[in-house]
Amino acid sequence: GQQVMQIPQYQHVQEGEDFTTYCNSSTTLSNIQWYKQRPGGHPVFLIQLVKSGEVKKQKRLTFQFGEAKKNSSLHITATQTTDVGTYFCAGRGQNFVFGPGTRLSVLP
Amino acid sequence: DAGVIQSPRHEVTEMGQEVTLRCKPISGHNSLFWYRQTMMRGLELLIYFNNNVPIDDSGMPEDRFSAKMPNASFSTLKIQPSEPRDSAVYFCASSRGQGAGNQPQHFGDGTRLSIL
Repeated sequence: GQQVMQIPQYQHVQEGEDFTTYCNSSTTLSNIQWYKQRPGGHPVFLIQLVKSGEVKKQKRLTFQFGEAKKNSSLHITATQTTDVGTYFCAGRGQNFVFGPGTRLSVLP
Repeated sequence: DAGVIQSPRHEVTEMGQEVTLRCKPISGHNSLFWYRQTMMRGLELLIYFNNNVPIDDSGMPEDRFSAKMPNASFSTLKIQPSEPRDSAVYFCASSRGQGAGNQPQHFGDGTRLSIL
């Protein structure tokens, strides 16, 4: 069945450093969504990517969808303590599957 | 605007008891999703409804789990009988449109379920 993996599982950064999480699907995706979940909170939708090679930016966050539509990345420039949380990708292929998430810690 | 509303926020009960989780989706959203989140298995889609009709329940773990959506503004997830391994956070989410993953999903605050 369809599988979605994310690396790394955990990332600890110093405030101001950059951060990247990578998402890989076992199958070609129609689209991919990214969510952020703060500790103790619920997932919150960030963005959806649909087109091959698509790049979207939200302030310090840059999202990219791979050319083959099987992978994606989220890059945060100059992390802040408010960026702490777990970042999930969710891919729509045969099914809609969430990745395991990357937990980001930002040290002040 | 009111978001997705789930109740109860916390539930602690003994194994063997029936557990009912409730969800009110965002008005105007016609897709509703139930998820389970655990450290070991992450965020799993259990079932989703479109226009109150169950579309895909392949994620429902066992016959002990059942879900209903009697109308557009209410859904329940029931576990009977409950077991300790059912302990998890259960999220309800809703979205516009049809299918899972076509539109942004809006999650409720979740129900933290502990089965002793």
